[in-house]
Amino acid sequence: DIQMTQSPSSLSASVGDRVTITCRASQSISSYLNWYLQEPGKAPKLLIYGASSLQGGVPSRFSGSGSGTDFTLTISSLQPEDFATYFCQQTYTTPPWTFGQGTKVEI
Amino acid sequence: EVQVVDSGGGLVQPGRSLSLSCTTSGFRFGDYAMSWVRQPPGKGLEWVGFIRSNTYGGTTEYAASVKGRFNISRDASKSIAYLQMNSLKIEDTAVYYCTRVFCIGTARGCLYYMDVWGKGTTVTVSS
Repeated sequence: DIQMTQSPSSLSASVGDRVTITCRASQSISSYLNWYLQEPGKAPKLLIYGASSLQGGVPSRFSGSGSGTDFTLTISSLQPEDFATYFCQQTYTTPPWTFGQGTKVEI
Repeated sequence: EVQVVDSGGGLVQPGRSLSLSCTTSGFRFGDYAMSWVRQPPGKGLEWVGFIRSNTYGGTTEYAASVKGRFNISRDASKSIAYLQMNSLKIEDTAVYYCTRVFCIGTARGCLYYMDVWGKGTTVTVSS
């Protein structure tokens, strides 16, 4: 199975900060990488698909980049509603679709 | 409005069975794959399995941890997907999310991503 490793596991930031989260795959997954946000007690929500395509309705302060094994999610200016947990996911191989362990963004 | 509503969770004893439902509306059900993802208490996300759209044969794939015990099916006439869980174990305790799966055609087949999620239904396996 392809392992997905996110770093850091958690981070502290302030409103207005630029935040970068990294996701590394154990083997090449081309651009088959998606990012999700999960607020406490809620279902995950799709942010980015195909490594860099912004899902409709998602603010432009979110962006994704990378291909192969190394990917990043960047929030250009952190807003109060962005304090949540972020997960990356690969869908290069089926089965299984694997998720990273999550990165918690805290105030 | 596109909606996915998961239901059917509850308390069940180890070794017993439970069936979850995923009721959808607002889109052509047969055109989309559907998936289940679970989240144990205080932990991350684990993909459980999915069922392809009619276009791709409606076949299923499962995580190794549930293969042979769980079964995903779909009823096109009702626009509902199901997760039948048999021989439940304590470690199956989790919030279960139903998701719509979008496919973008690529040279390899599909780039899949989960674009619509249900609110989740809680399954607790305990004696």
